[in-house]
Amino acid sequence: AAGVIQSPRHLIKEKRETATLKCYPIPRHDTVYWYQQGPGQDPQFLISFYEKMQSDKGSIPDRFSAQQFSDYHSELNMSSLELGDSALYFCASSSPGLGIYNEQFFGPGTRLTVL
Amino acid sequence: AQSVSQHNHHVILSEAASLELGCNYSYGGTVNLFWYVQYPGQHLQLLLKYFSGDPLVKGIKGFEAEFIKSKFSFNLRKPSVQWSDTAEYFCAVRQTDSSYKLIFGSGTRLLVRP
Repeated sequence: AAGVIQSPRHLIKEKRETATLKCYPIPRHDTVYWYQQGPGQDPQFLISFYEKMQSDKGSIPDRFSAQQFSDYHSELNMSSLELGDSALYFCASSSPGLGIYNEQFFGPGTRLTVL
Repeated sequence: AQSVSQHNHHVILSEAASLELGCNYSYGGTVNLFWYVQYPGQHLQLLLKYFSGDPLVKGIKGFEAEFIKSKFSFNLRKPSVQWSDTAEYFCAVRQTDSSYKLIFGSGTRLLVRP
């Protein structure tokens, strides 16, 4: 069965650079969630989208922005990168609709290292 | 703010031993509860979930969890662990009256010795 795809899987950037992380949800899934997992920490919710509109926002820095496109894939844009942004970024998708019984399926994550 | 606590950060067991991982959450309203497993180098996978009904939930790979509302707990159990259960386990909570985001616990690293 198709799973959530994230690209790239690994990314190395310098401080103050920008990065774009991509998430391709499971086909026919219309909701995407982004989570950040720092070293030795639990995943923290960043932002979510439903039908291309932002549905919720968590502890996402102002330097980060995200959007969901017409094909339901989502991109997380990160600017002015800081050392503390080094983390594993998970994307999850669920569907259809914004139902509370919908399970979130997680992608493999993008490991971002900021030097 | 809602939070999830996992009391055991590292657990080491021998094969065939019984497992119980604790999870407590702090939210007085209605919640959905989840346990996810992350095998080394892999993504989060759902082990089991509780939405309503029977508080004893059975999941994949012989895992089960019991929701005790009065204790705000959702402990994960397995009667006999295997070496292949070596992984990190995350408890997660989702409020049903607001966002659908998951709030995760800090995780428990389980090492099962053959």
